[in-house]
Amino acid sequence: DAKTTQPPSMDCAEGRAANLPCNHSTISGNEYVYWYRQIHSQGPQYIIHGLKNNETNEMASLIITEDRKSSTLILPHATLRDTAVYYCIVRVMDTGFQKLVFGTGTRLLVSP
Amino acid sequence: KAGVTQTPRYLIKTRGQQVTLSCSPISGHRSVSWYQQTPGQGLQFLFEYFSETQRNKGNFPGRFSGRQFSNSRSEMNVSTLELGDSALYLCASSSRGGLSGELFFGEGSRLTVL
Repeated sequence: DAKTTQPPSMDCAEGRAANLPCNHSTISGNEYVYWYRQIHSQGPQYIIHGLKNNETNEMASLIITEDRKSSTLILPHATLRDTAVYYCIVRVMDTGFQKLVFGTGTRLLVSP
Repeated sequence: KAGVTQTPRYLIKTRGQQVTLSCSPISGHRSVSWYQQTPGQGLQFLFEYFSETQRNKGNFPGRFSGRQFSNSRSEMNVSTLELGDSALYLCASSSRGGLSGELFFGEGSRLTVL
């Protein structure tokens, strides 16, 4: 069964880049990687997703290794408001159905 | 435009009872998916409805069911509640089916089973 592995917590200084890793060594070639974050007591918020190529949007960059076994979410200039739990998610096909498999999340603490 | 709305926000039930949760998606979104979040198991996908049909599902027992109406509003039902069903239940809507693209989540319904 597909699985994602993330470090439980990370710290980052305000203004510095936050690099959040995720291991998804079991995904297949057509399974997407998504990143969402959840700020306490709110629903998860979409950040970015990708398949093979690196992706960038106004919030973050996603770097996927060539073998697709891992990826890194980069917040280029972290702010205090980026403190949240970040989830790496893979969309997989299982017994004919699509489903999302969530990692356990990385709690990012951005400090002044 | 209005976001995803879930009701009720909080509820308490006892073992053996059943519960129905409601989710109103963003206007124009035809996909609604449901998730369970617990401290022990984290976030888990329950199922997805698109145009009133269940299109995808996770690995939950049959006690967990859902439906979607013609206006895309969705309900989730849990029968014969167990203590382990205590959780935050989240729904998300999307303009695209198949759990693809960006999902917009509601703030959840927090269920406590006593």
